[in-house]
Amino acid sequence: QLQLQESGPRLVKPSVTLSLTCTVSGGSISSGTHYWGWIRQRPGKGLEWIGSIFYGGGTYYNPSLESRITMSVDTSRNLFSLKLTSVTAADTAVYYCARHEGSKGWPFYFDYWGQGTLVTVSS
Amino acid sequence: DIHMTQSPSSLSASVGDRVTITCRASQGISNFLAWYQQKPGKVPELLIYAASTLQSGVPSRFSGGGSGADFTLSISSLQPEDVATYYCQQYDSAPWTFGQGTKVEIK
Repeated sequence: QLQLQESGPRLVKPSVTLSLTCTVSGGSISSGTHYWGWIRQRPGKGLEWIGSIFYGGGTYYNPSLESRITMSVDTSRNLFSLKLTSVTAADTAVYYCARHEGSKGWPFYFDYWGQGTLVTVSS
Repeated sequence: DIHMTQSPSSLSASVGDRVTITCRASQGISNFLAWYQQKPGKVPELLIYAASTLQSGVPSRFSGGGSGADFTLSISSLQPEDVATYYCQQYDSAPWTFGQGTKVEIK
């Protein structure tokens, strides 16, 4: 059974760079046609797609966040990561990592999710 | 961006009732639509993809329909464990976008 687990700081100060990692177990991050994505959910709000990455390095980023996002993959450690720069209180959210299932190089839906990690941006 | 609009935003129904949620895309998306269920305090779970295909393990009381711009998620007989917020998501084009959610409660 594929499992994903987010890790990273729970509290970050405004203006710093948030770094989150998603470790994948029960399957290889470099197998198949899957992308690997990040989704966030602000407190009491809906779901917002942040970005997705293929193990070979191809990425899709949400244009609303693109200038502040970098995603990367480490196939040797079977994990992928998110960096979000210049965070503000508006970036306070539960951050989920997920497998972005797809076909022929196009990601579709999110079929496996991590448990999520609440990140609070506050001084 | 494709904007997804769900209706209603919330509903309350009795156990055993048939419940239907609507999702409308701002442009046609063929059948590139998924539905998720998020129970209170839990992780979203994939229910349906390709507008009408049930994910493995999802009870048969759930069904999805529609194509183009208008889609539905139905629960044929509402159960207490179905209390959740339901989200639609389009995957026709980037950025991948979700509806605002429909909260389903038991009356």
